[in-house]
Amino acid sequence: EPEVTQTPSHQVTQMGQEVILRCVPISNHLYFYWYRQILGQKVEFLVSFYNNEISEKSEIFDDQFSVERPDGSNFTLKIRSTKLEDSAMYFCASQTEGDYGYTFGSGTRLTVV
Amino acid sequence: GNSVTQMEGPVTLSEEAFLTINCTYTATGYPSLFWYVQYPGEGLQLLLKATKADDKGSNKGFEATYRKETTSFHLEKGSVQVSDSAVYFCALRNYGGATNKLIFGTGTLLAVQP
Repeated sequence: EPEVTQTPSHQVTQMGQEVILRCVPISNHLYFYWYRQILGQKVEFLVSFYNNEISEKSEIFDDQFSVERPDGSNFTLKIRSTKLEDSAMYFCASQTEGDYGYTFGSGTRLTVV
Repeated sequence: GNSVTQMEGPVTLSEEAFLTINCTYTATGYPSLFWYVQYPGEGLQLLLKATKADDKGSNKGFEATYRKETTSFHLEKGSVQVSDSAVYFCALRNYGGATNKLIFGTGTLLAVQP
């Protein structure tokens, strides 16, 4: 069964450093998403991406965040200057046209120290 | 606005017990409703879905019925197994606007003991 692949599974970074989280969505999917889950809290929407541009973003997704699909296969989330409160599990998801559900990756646990 | 409220956990059951995890929602428009499951160390997997009122989603012995009159989508299973131990998330997606984003509840941890 096709999968969404996320790397790394766990990343530790120092506060103020830039971090890039990587995702390989399912190849024929058209819609791409990032969500995050702070430990013990709900899963929150960050951003959606379609047709090579952001289609929607949440209040969390401020100027410190950016997304890119640089080569038609990878979908990345960049955090420019990490803060302690960015520590969370980050999930990538993709979706095909007309599909009601997403396929999520297994997540990247980001720890900012 | 749109929101999902689900019962707090953890829920601890013995094997073969009946499971109910309550989920209620608030939404404008006509949402689709979902249950996702997260097994330890894994990502979110779609368990079942319902796209309109009175639809019943089912998968792996789990069921949930979309009840518009009570704005609910409770998850049930007649006989749980140890392998069902996981975190269960109720979620909605509202097609009233130009958005595909999912809105999740807080998740309910289910622990099934042998």
